[in-house]
This record gives sequence, structure tokens and C-alpha cells, in this order.
Amino acid sequence: ETGVTQTPRHLVMGMTNKKSLKCEQHLGHNAMYWYKQSAKKPLELMFVYSLEERVENNSVPSRFSPECPNSSHLFLHLHTLQPEDSALYLCASSQEPSGGAGELFFGEGSRLTVL
Amino acid sequence: GQNIDQPTEMTATEGAIVQINCTYQTSGFNGLFWYQQHAGEAPTFLSYNVLDGLEEKGRFSSFLSRSKGYSYLLLKELQMKDSASYLCAVRDSNYQLIWGAGTKLIIKP
Repeated sequence: ETGVTQTPRHLVMGMTNKKSLKCEQHLGHNAMYWYKQSAKKPLELMFVYSLEERVENNSVPSRFSPECPNSSHLFLHLHTLQPEDSALYLCASSQEPSGGAGELFFGEGSRLTVL
Repeated sequence: GQNIDQPTEMTATEGAIVQINCTYQTSGFNGLFWYQQHAGEAPTFLSYNVLDGLEEKGRFSSFLSRSKGYSYLLLKELQMKDSASYLCAVRDSNYQLIWGAGTKLIIKP
């Protein structure tokens, strides 16, 4: 079993649909993240939760709504998305403070296509 | 603004050595990371440099010069499985990660 699991791996939705992405980490970490990865662009941080409190919201449109019910689970609720939102959405976790590198552990991502 | 620059794509031959460069301009510095990402897979942590110098880990080494805002990832004895994207990221003074766009490495037989 991988440390960070994301479902679904692939999602196709229309602009009027509502869907959710799910992330679960089995590493005992206390911080979780949503990133957007578009081709040939740097990773874009969307949301950060530390100890289940949202600590970062990088001017993400309100059509993306995160939820962190506990330290192991993270959701990204999607509604009325635009075609430019098509991308790979990566979930990650880390232990903060780390006392060391504090590297991120990523899930394999959810590939989202908005028609 | 903050910026990380790395080549978009590189090609190398199996068994050879390749160096992937990363230059950065950030507000402060609290460490530099390299991640490997195979197509369709999760990025995985490769290395972390916070002090100047070379860190060696098997076939992979990472170098940092803070005064020059420069790092490189050195891959030796290249194998076909090393074909992947390599992501450089810097942690700034606010402990935020600033990411490069990644370098796609193609290994040819």
C-alpha cells in the first residue's frame, strides 16, 4: 500500500458537474497539501492543511473547495469548473516541523479533464 | 519575484553521465530539493541540500552553491529507468516551496 493514495485516478466532467477528489495518507503526517500540475509549468500550491486547519489558500477560485475532516484525509470538491482547470491534481503530505528536510510525499494524482 | 530555472528537456545515453542544472532567485533560502517524477506517477523525493557542497546518494549526487543561487543534480551510469522529469524546488524564508517547471530527461540506448 502506497503512503499517499488518491482517487479517482482519472476524472472527466462537464462544466456543470459536481465531483470530489479524495486523498488519504498512511504515514502519520500532520500536514496535507493540494497541488495543481499543468504541462510544462511549475507545481502550483492550492491549499495547505496543518493539524487539520487550513493555513494556505493561494488565491484559488471558489469553484475549488477543500475539506480536511482529519489528519489522514483530504478532499477537493469541484463545481462549475472551466476547461482551463484540466490538469493533474496532486495530493501530498509531510511532517511539520520536521527537524530535517521535511520532504513532501506525493500521491499519484488525479487527472482531471473538464469538457 | 521568485523564480526557478531549469532546462525543459535533456537527452543522454544509457551508461553515460548527465548534469541537470537549476538556478534560483528567491526571498531567502531554507533548503533545495530535487524530486523525480516518472510519467503518470507521483513525484518522489531524491535529495535535499541546505549547505554548500555535494551530497552523494548512490548513482545520484546533488550540489549546491548558495552564493551563486545554483544547484545541479548529477546522474551517473544512466539506466533506461532514469527517463523521467526532475523537479527542482527551493524553500524560501517563509518556508514556502518554490518549484521549477521540471526537466524531462530522455535516455537513449
